[in-house]
Amino acid sequence: GAGVSQSPSNKVTEKGKDVELRCDPISGHTALYWYRQSLGQGLEFLIYFQGNSAPDKSGLPSDRFSAERTGGSVSTLTIQRTQQEDSAVYLCASSRDIPHYEQYFGPGTRLTVT
Amino acid sequence: GQQVMQIPQYQHVQEGEDFTTYCNSSTTLSNIQWYKQRPGGHPVFLIQLVKSGEVKKQKRLTFQFGEAKKNSSLHITATQTTDVGTYFCCRGSSNTGKLIFGQGTTLQVKP
Repeated sequence: GAGVSQSPSNKVTEKGKDVELRCDPISGHTALYWYRQSLGQGLEFLIYFQGNSAPDKSGLPSDRFSAERTGGSVSTLTIQRTQQEDSAVYLCASSRDIPHYEQYFGPGTRLTVT
Repeated sequence: GQQVMQIPQYQHVQEGEDFTTYCNSSTTLSNIQWYKQRPGGHPVFLIQLVKSGEVKKQKRLTFQFGEAKKNSSLHITATQTTDVGTYFCCRGSSNTGKLIFGQGTTLQVKP
């Protein structure tokens, strides 16, 4: 079946604008994760969803970041009033269930804030 | 806290040499996962270890989970150029879905 897909693949935006990043997980996967990876760096955990609920939002860098998931499927990560330090690759992953089945990652969205 | 430390950060080897990366935690791990990320790609799951002292092998890759469940290692025998990439360990919480990745070890293999 299809893997995790993310859109857009690349996004260039001006500082101060809002952006929405989309993730389509593998069908039937109840867990969905968002990570951020800066150039040459590791993966920074942002948030995860179990179904439509997000039990742990502590990884979100600031209140400019929010995420939602509807219908236990698609998720959107919204960054308001983007800053240059938000530039990174945003990766989404899904897994069959929690706890901790293997995660399948999407190709990521490369966000550049100018 | 919940961080996992990976060493080394970088490793350059000659093709055919062995390679090992280590993942250490100050607290007991409920499980540990390993991922590989090729340059320009996204992380791909390699394995999950759950039991104390567990050893799993995948061809030239050997994964170990320490007896105290506070450390893990990935060993590659006779590296090949296809092994190039960054290897991440990842710890999970015992009762939540939060996952913490190590900083990764980037492997370069000279042909």
